[in-house]
Amino acid sequence: AQSVTQLGSHVSVSEGALVLLRCNYSSSVPPYLFWYVQYPNQGLQLLLKYTTGATLVKGINGFEAEFKKSETSFHLTKPSAHMSDAAEYFCAVSDTGNQFYFGTGTSLTVIP
Amino acid sequence: NAGVMQNPRHLVRRRGQEARLRCSPMKGHSHVYWYRQLPEEGLKFMVYLQKENIIDESGMPKERFSAEFPKEGPSILRIQQVVRGDSAAYFCASSPVVGYTEAFFGQGTRLTVV
Repeated sequence: AQSVTQLGSHVSVSEGALVLLRCNYSSSVPPYLFWYVQYPNQGLQLLLKYTTGATLVKGINGFEAEFKKSETSFHLTKPSAHMSDAAEYFCAVSDTGNQFYFGTGTSLTVIP
Repeated sequence: NAGVMQNPRHLVRRRGQEARLRCSPMKGHSHVYWYRQLPEEGLKFMVYLQKENIIDESGMPKERFSAEFPKEGPSILRIQQVVRGDSAAYFCASSPVVGYTEAFFGQGTRLTVV
């Protein structure tokens, strides 16, 4: 069975500071891992995904995430937060079957 | 190539009415997935369809909800006799192959039941 835990439903950072959003997963098979961003009243936009290969994945808007199998984690980072990064972020896992399993989301606030 | 198109973007229904939500997948995509997002929650899987077939409906409520993906035209999520608890954002995703490595999401339909 697959599941995702996002630690911290709300994260606040100062503009220019490091962004770290945590995601831990459980999966009975090698997982595919995803981060999505959702702006208010918008759909989901794919930030990045891990399928196979290099465990450090770079995505759009300067975000990256590292797949750590030993820690069952896929934390999202960005070295320097921008005001436009304020949004809801969702981590998801798939076993290539019929479903995504989403975390409950982390709301990121960027303080000027 | 247009993205996944969902319409309407916003839908208001009175209790007891029917809601029909449409999803046009990306060109060349024959796999469609529907998700529901309740306030303050993540997205929950509802149903997975291929053309003319329901593959997995394990996340669909047993009553009042149905989905189809006809040979021609968009996928439809139908909610009969809506209740206030059906108020949510409904998202559709499509992919060219089974699995999510190439899936794209639409912008969602926000259903409000009054």
